[in-house]
Amino acid sequence: EILMTQSPAILSVSPGETATLSCRASQGISPYLAWYQQKPGRAPRLLIYDVSSRATGVPARFTGSGSGTTFSLTISSLQSEDFGVYYCQQYDSWPLTFGGGTKVEIK
Amino acid sequence: VQLVESGGGLVKPGESLRLSCVTSGFTFGYAWMNWVRQVPGKGLEWIGRIKSKVDDETTEYAAPVRGRFTISRDDSKNTLYLQMNSLKSDDTGVYFCAISMFFSNSGGNFYRNAFDVWGQGTVVTVSS
Repeated sequence: EILMTQSPAILSVSPGETATLSCRASQGISPYLAWYQQKPGRAPRLLIYDVSSRATGVPARFTGSGSGTTFSLTISSLQSEDFGVYYCQQYDSWPLTFGGGTKVEIK
Repeated sequence: VQLVESGGGLVKPGESLRLSCVTSGFTFGYAWMNWVRQVPGKGLEWIGRIKSKVDDETTEYAAPVRGRFTISRDDSKNTLYLQMNSLKSDDTGVYFCAISMFFSNSGGNFYRNAFDVWGQGTVVTVSS
């Protein structure tokens, strides 16, 4: 099983600033990496797939990058609606696995 | 596109439960469908996936549920199911159905097991 490790667990950011979230896989998974955003009481929302492709309707301020085992999600000019928990997920091999999440909160 | 889960509830350890995910707004017959669960306040755990009928309805399961849970589909009803047997307290959580990404171009159809549409979830509580 591929272990996905996200850091930091909590990221405090002021609106307008840039947030960088990290995700590390226990073995190479490129390009099969996705990012999701989840808000309390809601289902996750797909943001990024295949490391760097934005899902339909996702603003350009969300950027995915990385390769091999190390990946990042950058949120530029953070807006109020961007606060929530972000998860990475690998779909390179079974079982599909998620990271533990990074909570982005208002500073 | 809409996915609506139902069937959750409170059951005792060892009992069974069947969840349903009724879908609309897309061609269900082509979709590869998944179940994902979330323990309250915790992260996401993929449970399993079923391919389309044309892909032989092949299934994959996560180890904690393999042999206890069964995913099936009824394309005539645009509905996905999760049969859960021998339930344990660790199975408590919110259960989501979700669609694997589907792409179609001149080269044919292909899928990615990232999930671009999710249901709202149904709550399962296993407790004595």
